[in-house]
Amino acid sequence: AQSVTQLDSHVSVSEGTPVLLRCNYSSSYSPSLFWYVQHPNKGLQLLLKYTSAATLVKGINGFEAEFKKSETSFHLTKPSAHMSDAAEYFCVVTRGSARQLTFGSGTQLTVLP
Amino acid sequence: NAGVTQTPKFRVLKTGQSMTLLCAQDMNHEYMYWYRQDPGMGLRLIHYSVGEGTTAKGEVPDGYNVSRLKKQNFLLGLESAAPSQTSVYFCASSYSTDSYEQYFGPGTRLTVT
Repeated sequence: AQSVTQLDSHVSVSEGTPVLLRCNYSSSYSPSLFWYVQHPNKGLQLLLKYTSAATLVKGINGFEAEFKKSETSFHLTKPSAHMSDAAEYFCVVTRGSARQLTFGSGTQLTVLP
Repeated sequence: NAGVTQTPKFRVLKTGQSMTLLCAQDMNHEYMYWYRQDPGMGLRLIHYSVGEGTTAKGEVPDGYNVSRLKKQNFLLGLESAAPSQTSVYFCASSYSTDSYEQYFGPGTRLTVT
């Protein structure tokens, strides 16, 4: 079965400092992995996706993630946080022939001035 | 393109009442999904559809029914609402390709009293 574990429910960083949101996955086959972002009272927006091409994936707004098979991890990073990055972030793995998604429980990112 | 739209945006029901949530997409996507989002639990799949006239159960289908009579619409019904169904409901759609990416609607906030 496919699953993801987001290791931190809340992360706080100061504006201008690096962001690290951690995600471990479990999959019986080579998975596709995503990071989605949800700003307050908004729908979900795709940040980036890994689909077995390059292991370092670049997304929107300066975010990137590295797929590490040996560590079963897909951590999300950004070199310098901006106030507008404050949101909830979901690590997601695919499962099933109908392209179903399994979501992690989310990490709430707070950016302090 | 409007993308994925959901109707209504907000609704308050009394226990035992029924209602239907409407999801519409104008991207000619074959796959459509209904999720519920509860605090600390990410998004959980209720039902999904791989094409017009087909539906299938997701992780948490009890108390819900769906229909996909037209390719662009996916309806979620609550026959007898319960307080446990208080949640934010998201609809999503995706292409029948290998990208696995899902496009989300803005959500419907439902409160059952």
